[in-house]
Amino acid sequence: GQQLNQSPQSMFIQEGEDVSMNCTSSSIFNTWLWYKQDPGEGPVLLIALYKAGELTSNGRLTAQFGITRKDSFLNISASIPSDVGIYFCAGHNDMRFGAGTRLTVKP
Amino acid sequence: DGGITQSPKYLFRKEGQNVTLSCEQNLNHDAMYWYRQDPGQGLRLIYYSQIVNDFQKGDIAEGYSVSREKKESFPLTVTSAQKNPTAFYLCASTKAGGPNNEQFFGPGTRLTVL
Repeated sequence: GQQLNQSPQSMFIQEGEDVSMNCTSSSIFNTWLWYKQDPGEGPVLLIALYKAGELTSNGRLTAQFGITRKDSFLNISASIPSDVGIYFCAGHNDMRFGAGTRLTVKP
Repeated sequence: DGGITQSPKYLFRKEGQNVTLSCEQNLNHDAMYWYRQDPGQGLRLIYYSQIVNDFQKGDIAEGYSVSREKKESFPLTVTSAQKNPTAFYLCASTKAGGPNNEQFFGPGTRLTVL
């Protein structure tokens, strides 16, 4: 399967700070998806991106589909404690996932 | 409400026993997937099925088997051949084709082999 490289692996931030994470691939994707997983639960879809260059927001979350179709980033603004969890990117072509970014928010 | 259900939430088995994990969806989705997640790790694809009576191996299919006799159901059997079966198993589904191919996940089953 295609490889997705997600970074950073983990982040420790203070409440109120902004967060940025990204995924890159050596292959082109038609769709990028961003998920959040709480401990012991299934991932929940946050944002779906369908067009190169597309920038989509969902509340404090913003994600972009890279122009080259090989990368995507997710930003979280003004983080709050409930943002804690693991964030995954996924490329639609074959539904492979990045390794995840573990976010810890200190109150 | 439409969704994906996995049961049970927690499952314990003795080493050497086969065990089947249930996954049911009432979303009328065509494609279904099984992933394995180990502590602190990402999701690894075990098997997927795009249509009834057809399925494909993912990256880590060895020691697992699946069936897709009905559109709504995609059970996963963890066989005794799987060397390290203790993990969190996630089932997912998508509606094949079209621009909106979001994948939805079930709540997961945590399998512990003693």
